Amino acid sequence: DGGITQSPKYLFRKEGQNVTLSCEQNLNHDAMYWYRQDPGQGLRLIYYSQIVNDFQKGDIAEGYSVSREKKESFPLTVTSAQKNPTAFYLCASSIELAADTQYFGPGTRLTVL
Amino acid sequence: GQQLNQNPQSMFIQEGEDVSMNCTSSSIFNTWLWYKQDPGEGPVLLIALYKAGELTSNGRLTAQFGITRKDSFLNISASIPSDVGIYFCAGELSGTYKYIFGTGTRLKVLA
Repeated sequence: DGGITQSPKYLFRKEGQNVTLSCEQNLNHDAMYWYRQDPGQGLRLIYYSQIVNDFQKGDIAEGYSVSREKKESFPLTVTSAQKNPTAFYLCASSIELAADTQYFGPGTRLTVL
Repeated sequence: GQQLNQNPQSMFIQEGEDVSMNCTSSSIFNTWLWYKQDPGEGPVLLIALYKAGELTSNGRLTAQFGITRKDSFLNISASIPSDVGIYFCAGELSGTYKYIFGTGTRLKVLA
């Protein structure tokens, strides 16, 4: 089945540690996105990638980093510089950048202890 | 970053009732998307709207792209218990390649 997978579903980390969230899609989509979701707020864009080896900062990129070495994969690293990392992280993809519907993965809930 | 005003924030309704929610902004949008999200899961796309004035249905759901391109509406007819969840709108901001998301409408259906 085609879709977007994120792993792990739940992630715990200690303060000061970096952690990487996985996002894989087999939809042959060019564009991929990372969003952060906090209670009572809409999704906020962290990073997006239009094509392999290219990515751009979104609205809240500070403390995060990404890579796009393969079309199918867009991992997100939450660094120790992110001041409030506990959140629900959602990955999405679309056929091309923005001018098309975005499909979401199941999300990863990150909790910093 | 910008966010859309989505109303109402939450609703408690009886099974069988109709539901209406909307998203408004002072900005102009090229595309509107409506999603449903269950707790702890990713949003699932319900309806996509691409033209001002467009009215699109998906089963009991109907959504409209506002004529001014600054708002959108979602209606659910004859609600059932499985309609429970959070509904989000998302608008593609004109002149950008980004979607702006509403803050969500939390729907609870009482049997």
